[in-house]
Amino acid sequence: DIQMTQSPSSLSASVGDRVTISCRASQSIASHLNWYQQKPGRAPNLLIYAASNLQIGVPSRFSGSGSETDFALTISSLQPEDFATYYCQQSYSSPQTFGQGTKVEIK
Amino acid sequence: QVQLVQSGAEVKKPGASVKVSCKASGYTFTIYYIHWVRQAPGQGLEWMGIINPSGGSTIYAQKFQGRVTMTRDTSTSTVYMELSSLRSEDTAVYYCARRGGIIMTHINYFYMDVWGKGSTVTVS
Repeated sequence: DIQMTQSPSSLSASVGDRVTISCRASQSIASHLNWYQQKPGRAPNLLIYAASNLQIGVPSRFSGSGSETDFALTISSLQPEDFATYYCQQSYSSPQTFGQGTKVEIK
Repeated sequence: QVQLVQSGAEVKKPGASVKVSCKASGYTFTIYYIHWVRQAPGQGLEWMGIINPSGGSTIYAQKFQGRVTMTRDTSTSTVYMELSSLRSEDTAVYYCARRGGIIMTHINYFYMDVWGKGSTVTVS
């Protein structure tokens, strides 16, 4: 199975900050990497697919980068509605696996 | 609009089985595969498997092999996930999610683009 490791597990940031979350795969997954946002009590919501493509309707302050084993999700200017947990997910092979999540909290 | 509507909360005894439904609407049911993902309280997301609503073929995570069965009913555009021999560790929210996809430079990329609201299963 491909292991996905996110860092950090949590972070505190202020509105307006630039935030970057990292995700590392245990083997190469090319660009088969997706990012999701989840708020408490809600289902996950797709932000980025294929490593760097913004899902329709997602604000442009979100961006994704990387390939092979190292990926990043960046929020250019954190907004109040962005405080949530973020997950990366590989769709390269089954079983599809998720990172453990990164909780973004208000400083 | 495109949506997946899941069945309600369930409380089950250890050793019992649970069957969760996920009804699709707003798109052609047989075109898009459906994933099942679960989330234990306070924990991350765990992929359980996927079903092709067209032919009914499935791929299950090895962890759930022998205990999970995913089926579909094309007449009602509904997929089902049944988990047997329940134990307390199966207490979780179970989500269905549509497999969206796109072809870029001749390569298929897949993602989970539409999610149900989740079905809470409590084993106690």
